[in-house]
Amino acid sequence: AQKVTQAQTEISVVEKEDVTLDCVYETRDTTYYLFWYKQPPSGELVFLIRRNSFDEQNEISGRYSWNFQKSTSSFNFTITASQVVDSAVYFCALSEFSQFYFGTGTSLTVIP
Amino acid sequence: KAGVTQTPRYLIKTRGQQVTLSCSPISGHRSVSWYQQTPGQGLQFLFEYFSETQRNKGNFPGRFSGRQFSNSRSEMNVSTLELGDSALYLCASSLARPGVETQYFGPGTRLLVL
Repeated sequence: AQKVTQAQTEISVVEKEDVTLDCVYETRDTTYYLFWYKQPPSGELVFLIRRNSFDEQNEISGRYSWNFQKSTSSFNFTITASQVVDSAVYFCALSEFSQFYFGTGTSLTVIP
Repeated sequence: KAGVTQTPRYLIKTRGQQVTLSCSPISGHRSVSWYQQTPGQGLQFLFEYFSETQRNKGNFPGRFSGRQFSNSRSEMNVSTLELGDSALYLCASSLARPGVETQYFGPGTRLLVL
């Protein structure tokens, strides 16, 4: 079974639209960490956010916001007023017991 | 602070050859992890090194090996290359505990096996 599920394989939005990327995880650990990474066409994974299992506060950073809900095992990522530069593949990841598990990624295309 | 660097960036090899990839972590980071990324399998964990010791290993055949030097630089080696080894190989570093701390990734090495 997948530890991290990103059900949306590809999403296309028109510039300035808001978009939410879904992430559902599965773990039996009580202490775990969740991450989002962005992978532009250049290939390098860029760290966006890290959240531990005890901190359910939502976070906003500029146009980015994250909604962590333990009750539904979800850690969703919203981009507000999307821009062409947001076009990339976004990965959600879970770390438990010192192992990292990545989702299969969501490819976001922002159309000008 | 310089980021994670990987060399070479691109490689073309033929089946049966072997290849060595190099990774220099962020200064002060002692943990180095390696991942294989392919369109079909996504990002898969290969192994993690800390203080010159392999601490965790993913589910890959013994043809995939690695090592870490005293300066935390790491190399991974793939022997007897197969077509399916064509992938982007990513290295990531963290201070000491990749499961707890953030991992920072390098630009990757794109390996093409012909």
